[in-house]
Amino acid sequence: SQTIHQWPATLVQPVGSPLSLECTVEGTSNPNLYWYRQAAGRGLQLLFYSVGIGQISSEVPQNLSASRPQDRQFILSSKKLLLSDSGFYLCAWSAGTSSLMRSYNEQFFGPGTRLTVL
Amino acid sequence: QQQVKQSPQSLIVQKGGISIINCAYENTAFDYFPWYQQFPGKGPALLIAIRPDVSEKKEGRFTISFNKSAKQFSLHIMDSQPGDSATYFCAASMPRPDNARQLTFGSGTQLTVLP
Repeated sequence: SQTIHQWPATLVQPVGSPLSLECTVEGTSNPNLYWYRQAAGRGLQLLFYSVGIGQISSEVPQNLSASRPQDRQFILSSKKLLLSDSGFYLCAWSAGTSSLMRSYNEQFFGPGTRLTVL
Repeated sequence: QQQVKQSPQSLIVQKGGISIINCAYENTAFDYFPWYQQFPGKGPALLIAIRPDVSEKKEGRFTISFNKSAKQFSLHIMDSQPGDSATYFCAASMPRPDNARQLTFGSGTQLTVLP
């Protein structure tokens, strides 16, 4: 079965410090990977997604960047954190390809990282 | 056109009652409609999903009703239990040219089931 991991689970960082959040997926190959941010009491905003190693698409221009150095590893980074970067960061995966005629590629979420920028 | 509108924002139901959450969309390119359940401090978990060629899907106490002509869909939780207390998100999915999927979320409904 597939499993998605995120770490750290919680993080408190000062403004201006760098950030690195990691996501790994087990039990599948060539997944599509996604980074979302969830503000307190609100919905999910897609930040980045990747359909393959080194392929990153950005949805929202901002202070963050993403990288995919390995097939099942997705990293979210920042060089200098802002107060507005605080939130709950979620990684998700979906099947990259399917032999089925109609595959809807359900997205499955990791446990999340709670980031507080002070 | 990319929005998914969800209501109500919060819902309080007595144990054993029926919880109903509604969503509406505009973009007819959406072709898959999942619902997610999220407990505090946890990631959203896929609960149930429906395709637009089906008008209803039932899994246990959870049922999705889908009205394609009205571009609306809803989640019904029968015999609601205190353990169902969570935030529920509807979503709508569409394909991207690069084989990824675009998943657009509603704003969420905080459900509280009273014992």
